[in-house]
Amino acid sequence: SAVISQKPSRDICQRGTSLTIQCQVDSQVTMMFWYRQQPGQSLTLIATANQGSEATYESGFVIDKFPISRPNLTFSTLTVSNMSPEDSSIYLCSAKPPWGRLGETQYFGPGTRLLVL
Amino acid sequence: DAKTTQPTSMDCAEGRAANLPCNHSTISGNEYVYWYRQIHSQGPQYIIHGLKNNETNEMASLIITEDRKSSTLILPHATLRDTAVYYCIVRRTASKLTFGTGTRLQVTL
Repeated sequence: SAVISQKPSRDICQRGTSLTIQCQVDSQVTMMFWYRQQPGQSLTLIATANQGSEATYESGFVIDKFPISRPNLTFSTLTVSNMSPEDSSIYLCSAKPPWGRLGETQYFGPGTRLLVL
Repeated sequence: DAKTTQPTSMDCAEGRAANLPCNHSTISGNEYVYWYRQIHSQGPQYIIHGLKNNETNEMASLIITEDRKSSTLILPHATLRDTAVYYCIVRRTASKLTFGTGTRLQVTL
């Protein structure tokens, strides 16, 4: 399995500011993903972070609001820009390793708990 | 990817087997059945996955019906630490992992 860490683990931010969340994987992975989990809800995929190219965003999420970087095969960042209270969520990083049997799965970080005031 | 249907919640006594059902009647031949769980305040944790054969690992067993339209995740001896939301997900290997609402399993003394 892959071990994934995120920083910060939690933060309280003022509306209108931006926060960058870091995701580090302990091994090289082919695909990295960012999810959002709003209070009491299930996980929603924000985007796929592609190494060496722009991220691929899901419907309802845009690059201006959630810019993503993927500078190498073990690291990615997600920025939540111009925050409002509606952005208060848990943000989770996920990675899919290149090894393993057919149908290999994704692993998740512990999440970043964000509260916007 | 095929849609899944799970009960909203279930209870299980500690030490007993927890059997969590999942219906996926529209599953196609190249789609796998995955199970994840999310313990409160943690990221989702992979449990097990399978295509058509039953699977077992150190955490659980996955029983898939012969027609592949439903499956059951079995935790053989549930403990309080198994209290979590359990997600059944059906997908092709190359497609994205999409979470539904899952089953909230409460293990009680």
